[in-house]
Amino acid sequence: EAGVAQSPRYKIIEKRQSVAFWCNPISGHATLYWYQQILGQGPKLLIQFQNNGVVDDSQLPKDRFSAERLKGVDSTLKIQPAKLEDSAVYLCASSLLPAEPGERGYTFGSGTRLTVV
Amino acid sequence: AQTVTQSQPEMSVQEAETVTLSCTYDTSENNYYLFWYKQPPSRQMILVIRQEAYKQQNATENRFSVNFQKAAKSFSLKISDSQLGDTAMYFCAFSHSGNTPLVFGKGTRLSVIA
Repeated sequence: EAGVAQSPRYKIIEKRQSVAFWCNPISGHATLYWYQQILGQGPKLLIQFQNNGVVDDSQLPKDRFSAERLKGVDSTLKIQPAKLEDSAVYLCASSLLPAEPGERGYTFGSGTRLTVV
Repeated sequence: AQTVTQSQPEMSVQEAETVTLSCTYDTSENNYYLFWYKQPPSRQMILVIRQEAYKQQNATENRFSVNFQKAAKSFSLKISDSQLGDTAMYFCAFSHSGNTPLVFGKGTRLSVIA
């Protein structure tokens, strides 16, 4: 089974520039998550999709961050304009919905490391 | 809101020895799930072990086991016969169900020394 694919793997941009990240979840997984992981911390949820609808975006800084999931499959996360504090790893994860009790739940991608200079 | 606390930023263990990583959490829910994830330098979060709160029996996966104390809201991970490949960041995480957003602790960096 193919895993969750993310690109690019690394990105370096100057502050005030824009950047986009792409995620391709596991085939058939209805739920997709974007997490932000700042160095030295655990991942924090930015947004959760179910199919192509937003379930939870309460922690997404909507003045600069946007995300979409077209056709309920691939997703993109965009930052415009970027700030220094946006430097982090951006992780995508997907899961089946509903999860069976024995389901191992989430599968994570390898993330995109963003450096804003 | 749920919180997850990992009080050990770094730990080290000799190869073949046993190490225990601590985790406490806070929730008013009665049914929930707890997880331990491993994050090696490749950055991918890898599920190590999962525990459903309604199960009294502690989960085990080969060399990995947990000590789940529901009343104390404690969920520690024991790694037996530590191997060099166990070197990684370990995160404790909580969710309401197996398919809802995870709330993570800050992590424990484990180094296995030869």
